[in-house]
Amino acid sequence: GENVEQHPSTLSVQEGDSAVIKCTYSDSASNYFPWYKQELGKRPQLIIDIRSNVGEKKDQRIAVTLNKTAKHFSLHITETQPEDSAVYFCGNAGNMLTFGGGTRLMVKP
Amino acid sequence: GAVVSQHPSWVICKSGTSVKIECRSLDFQATTMFWYRQFPKQSLMLMATSNEGSKATYEQGVEKDKFLINHASLTLSTLTVTSAHPEDSSFYICSASGGVLGTDTQYFGPGTRLTVL
Repeated sequence: GENVEQHPSTLSVQEGDSAVIKCTYSDSASNYFPWYKQELGKRPQLIIDIRSNVGEKKDQRIAVTLNKTAKHFSLHITETQPEDSAVYFCGNAGNMLTFGGGTRLMVKP
Repeated sequence: GAVVSQHPSWVICKSGTSVKIECRSLDFQATTMFWYRQFPKQSLMLMATSNEGSKATYEQGVEKDKFLINHASLTLSTLTVTSAHPEDSSFYICSASGGVLGTDTQYFGPGTRLTVL
């Protein structure tokens, strides 16, 4: 992967609402798109990933969608909870894995 | 599965000393290990990639003589910050991939906070 842009940089939602984080990339050879969650002072944890031959993947309250034509992919969190508050990083990989700048999600109870 | 440990978790040292950080894959063989640096409220910056038994590949702008990386086995990589200075203070995180887990997904260690006085 090459440059990947992530938006928004901060996101504040009310508990129970949905949150969407979007990343765009430039390398058309990218074929793997992971999402990591990093809580304060802790390691990034892989929460979901998707490969280029799939358009959407869901795991309980989280889902990832991929639009290869437009070169963007998004993380969707439904029914947000306070424990979802963290920094989320998208990544894209072709020959190497590159991370977006991160999104600080705050879920207000 | 896919547990990566890092040691130490926090180190404080005087300027001019060298600090070694260990990264271990505990339950899988890591053919590739990555070293990242993370500043407060910023993203992960890749420093170098190392394959077991080979010399590390450093990213542009990262001094290889300053940040010595050794990947001597499939479960251990070390990063040595030589002659550390206050500007080297940062959060250093390793990640590992490979073995039965495949080569795409990286699993991160808990990080090492380095404070250089």
